[in-house]
Amino acid sequence: AQSVTQLGSHVSVSEGALVLLRCNYSSSVPPYLFWYVQYPNQGLQLLLKYTTGATLVKGINGFEAEFKKSETSFHLTKPSAHMSDAAEYFCAVRAGGSYIPTFGRGTSLIVHP
Amino acid sequence: DADVTQTPRNRITKTGKRIMLECSQTKGHDRMYWYRQDPGLGLRLIYYSFDVKDINKGEISDGYSVSRQAQAKFSLSLESAIPNQTALYFCATSDYRVYNEQFFGPGTRLTVL
Repeated sequence: AQSVTQLGSHVSVSEGALVLLRCNYSSSVPPYLFWYVQYPNQGLQLLLKYTTGATLVKGINGFEAEFKKSETSFHLTKPSAHMSDAAEYFCAVRAGGSYIPTFGRGTSLIVHP
Repeated sequence: DADVTQTPRNRITKTGKRIMLECSQTKGHDRMYWYRQDPGLGLRLIYYSFDVKDINKGEISDGYSVSRQAQAKFSLSLESAIPNQTALYFCATSDYRVYNEQFFGPGTRLTVL
């Protein structure tokens, strides 16, 4: 079985501040992990993914995430928030042979000027 | 042109009406999915299809049906719409590799009065 927990339905930061969006997963086998972003009135698009190898993964728009097996976490970070980062962010897990991903409930990122 | 398209983009209907939402893709993927998104609940899987002859129920299939008319087309039907089916609906596609991401359409906003 696999599951995903995103801590905080809303995260508010000031422009230029660090962005940290938390994702913890549960999986009995090594997982594949994904972060997606949803801008207003759009579908989801991939930010980054972890499959195997390097545990620090870099994505688009300056985002990165680190896979920590011991903590079962895959938190998303960006050093300096921009107004254009305001969006909904979803963490997803696919474990082992499961072709069906499980999505977290999403975190809405609010960026203040 | 978008790789995954959905029609209509917006629809308002009345309780008891039959509604069909359509999805087409040009990515050449075999696997297609229908999700609904509700605030605070993230994405929930309605149905998925791994090829034209393969249809599977997701976690919330009651009240919905699907048709896979071709590799590139996957339609979702609400046989008798009810107000709690008011939501944002997304179609997604993926290839056969479990470590690869899904590609999402722009969504259909459905309102059932």
